[in-house]
Amino acid sequence: EDQVTQSPEALRLQEGESSSLNCSYTVSGLRGLFWYRQDPGKGPEFLFTLYSAGEEKEKERLKATLTKKESFLHITAPKPEDSATYLCAVRSDSWGKFQFGAGTQVVVTP
Amino acid sequence: DGGITQSPKYLFRKEGQNVTLSCEQNLNHDAMYWYRQDPGQGLRLIYYSQIVNDFQKGDIAEGYSVSREKKESFPLTVTSAQKNPTAFYLCASQELGVNEQFFGPGTRLTVL
Repeated sequence: EDQVTQSPEALRLQEGESSSLNCSYTVSGLRGLFWYRQDPGKGPEFLFTLYSAGEEKEKERLKATLTKKESFLHITAPKPEDSATYLCAVRSDSWGKFQFGAGTQVVVTP
Repeated sequence: DGGITQSPKYLFRKEGQNVTLSCEQNLNHDAMYWYRQDPGQGLRLIYYSQIVNDFQKGDIAEGYSVSREKKESFPLTVTSAQKNPTAFYLCASQELGVNEQFFGPGTRLTVL
């Protein structure tokens, strides 16, 4: 069965203090690893899709990377508006079901 | 504006009542999904539909029902058989052949 584990559960950063979030996964055959941002009380907002080891994607202060067993979401010089819960999900060789991790809650203080 | 809408934003239900959550999309996506989100847990799949008039159970379908009579609509009914329905419910859609799922704003259901 596909599994996704995110760490840490929560992360508190000072503005400008770069850090990384981890998403470890086990799937029968990866057809995509997805990162979403979720603000409190709202639906997840799509950020990135990664397909193969070595792939990287960037958007503003966020950079996602992928290896054969995990993905990292790097936040460079974060700002308070980067505060959110970041969700990781994988899609395997099955019909297309997404398996989500529990998320990492990030708080960036001024 | 293309997107996914869910209504209502907040819903309160008395024990023993059935309630229906609305999900509409104008993205012309074929597939639609319902997820449940509880604190500290990942999103869990309730039901999904890839075409009109067809849907399948997800991981936690007990106590829920759906219909897919129109491509743009996928309502979810939370029945009285669902033992612990208080949660945040999310609807998503996906264009077949494209990997990403896109989410609506969610409905928070509280059982009184």
